[in-house]
Amino acid sequence: GQNIDQPTEMTATEGAIVQINCTYQTSGFNGLFWYQQHAGEAPTFLSYNVLDGLEEKGRFSSFLSRSKGYSYLLLKELQMKDSASYLCAAPHRGSTLGRLYFGRGTQLTVWP
Amino acid sequence: EAGVVQSPRYKIIEKKQPVAFWCNPISGHNTLYWYRQNLGQGPELLIRYENEEAVDDSQLPKDRFSAERLKGVDSTLKIQPAELGDSAVYLCASSADNEQFFGPGTRLTVL
Repeated sequence: GQNIDQPTEMTATEGAIVQINCTYQTSGFNGLFWYQQHAGEAPTFLSYNVLDGLEEKGRFSSFLSRSKGYSYLLLKELQMKDSASYLCAAPHRGSTLGRLYFGRGTQLTVWP
Repeated sequence: EAGVVQSPRYKIIEKKQPVAFWCNPISGHNTLYWYRQNLGQGPELLIRYENEEAVDDSQLPKDRFSAERLKGVDSTLKIQPAELGDSAVYLCASSADNEQFFGPGTRLTVL
């Protein structure tokens, strides 16, 4: 299976930058996903990294190092609406159409 | 485009009662997933369908859980009988490629 680890909670203030780390151990690596989940809502897709490096999408960026088994999600110019749980997920045995193994999520609280 | 639809959104039952959840995936998505999410945890896969075939049900507790996707579109997940530990959010997702799209989930409370 997969072993995915991420911090349980983080806090930050509006306008700040926060980095949410994720470490993983997978069999048959084929990319790493980040999802955002607001309380009581469905997870929504944020990013998918399959190659090493940083991918930027507006205020959100995601980084991957396959050799280190490490990824992070970078959130810039934080807004109150960014308060949510951020889930790191890896596909089972490298199949992106198969099951996703999720970390337990990092609950981010953004303060005014 | 309509997203993944699930019903009901909330369900409260007593233990030992049966319960069923329904999911309508995004049109054209052949792959359908049922996940269970406990409070403070990430979703865990219960079963995955490719069209009408269950291709990964290794994590489904088959003594009390069952699922079907008869025409390769809508799917139903059933629990009979429910236990206290089944209280969770049951998420349905569908995909056509890399990205899995999740429905809003059904929050089950077993009393």
